[in-house]
Parts: sequence; structure tokens; C-alpha cells
Amino acid sequence: GEDVEQSLFLSVREGDSSVINCTYTDSSSTYLYWYKQEPGAGLQLLTYIFSNMDMKQDQRLTVLLNKKDKHLSLRIADTQTGDSAIYFCAESLYTGTASKLTFGTGTRLQVTL
Amino acid sequence: EPEVTQTPSHQVTQMGQEVILRCVPISNHLYFYWYRQILGQKVEFLVSFYNNEISEKSEIFDDQFSVERPDGSNFTLKIRSTKLEDSAMYFCASSADGNQPQHFGDGTRLSIL
Repeated sequence: GEDVEQSLFLSVREGDSSVINCTYTDSSSTYLYWYKQEPGAGLQLLTYIFSNMDMKQDQRLTVLLNKKDKHLSLRIADTQTGDSAIYFCAESLYTGTASKLTFGTGTRLQVTL
Repeated sequence: EPEVTQTPSHQVTQMGQEVILRCVPISNHLYFYWYRQILGQKVEFLVSFYNNEISEKSEIFDDQFSVERPDGSNFTLKIRSTKLEDSAMYFCASSADGNQPQHFGDGTRLSIL
């Protein structure tokens, strides 16, 4: 079955880069996603990458995908205190009618001054 | 920016009672989903819905659960006879197409007493 794994916690200093890692198991994933969850809030779609790409950049965010190793990473440049949140990696499996997302446990990013 | 809205934000219900969670998906989206997150656990897929019928459902989505699109804007999740283990955050999501990114609402926290 599908499984997505992430480390639970990451602490970085303001201004540094953060790198959050994720591994997944299903090679038939169509898209891979990063969602952000702030305290008491919902899941905000941050960025996503199609499975036939290996990199996507969107302002301060860089997503790297190593399909051979089934490894996904999210790099946040110049991390700010407002980036403190839980970051979820998710793989999307398209069943022909709709997609089903399988989420990781989430990585709590703590940004210190 | 269009968003998915969910009501109520918090629902407290006695065990054995029926509960209906409501969602208004993004207006031009055609695919709708429910996920849940038990405290401290991963976000789990429950069901996907398209063209007025269920596309896929997980093992969690048993006979106690049902979904409906009662009118052109609302999408509901009903739990017929709630159990203590139904306590969780329930997230609604929608997407324009079955293989497009899913956008989530802020969730409904369901507490069963």
C-alpha cells in the first residue's frame, strides 16, 4: 500500500534555509504535494510537482523530486518566523476517476530568532 | 482567491447521535473529497465524489458514513450514529478535475462525548 514518511521536527534560525524531506512508496504517483498547516487552520496548498519533473521553483520555495529514490524535498530560502508551521508531504494516486492523497505525518518547522 | 469553506468549525455531539458536516467547495470545481485527521495521526482519505456519486472510498468509510450534494453548492458528510473514535478533524477538499490539485477547507473539529 501507499506510505509517506517525513521527519517530525526541524528547527532553523531566521534567515537560514530550511529543507524538509519526504519519502514515498508508490511509483505510480502522478503529483506530489506540499501543504502547510498553521495552528488551528486548515491545509494550505503550498506547491506541487508533476511526477515527470525533477525540480520546481516558486519564489522562496524549491521542490526537488528524485523519482528513482522516491524522495521529495521542500527547500524554503530565507526562512521567516511566519514560516513556522507543520508541513505535509502528500502523494496523489489517480484512480481514473479521481485522485486520492496519501499524507505523511507532517514536519513541524520551528523558526528561531 | 476562491476557497473551500466548512461549517461548523467545531461540533460537539453525544455518542450515538447523528452529525452532518457541511462544506461549500470552490464554485467551478467538480470533484469533492473528505479526509479526517485523528489527533496526533496522519490525514486519512475517506471518500471522493464526482457526478453525484462516490468515486472511491476507504475502509474507514463504512455504512455509518454517507455523503451528499443536496444542492448546487453544498457537499455534506453524515455520520449516522457517532462513536467516540469518530472524534477527529474532518477536512473537505475540492478540485477542478480528478487529477488536479485538491484545495482544502479549514476543517471541522468533531468531538464525541
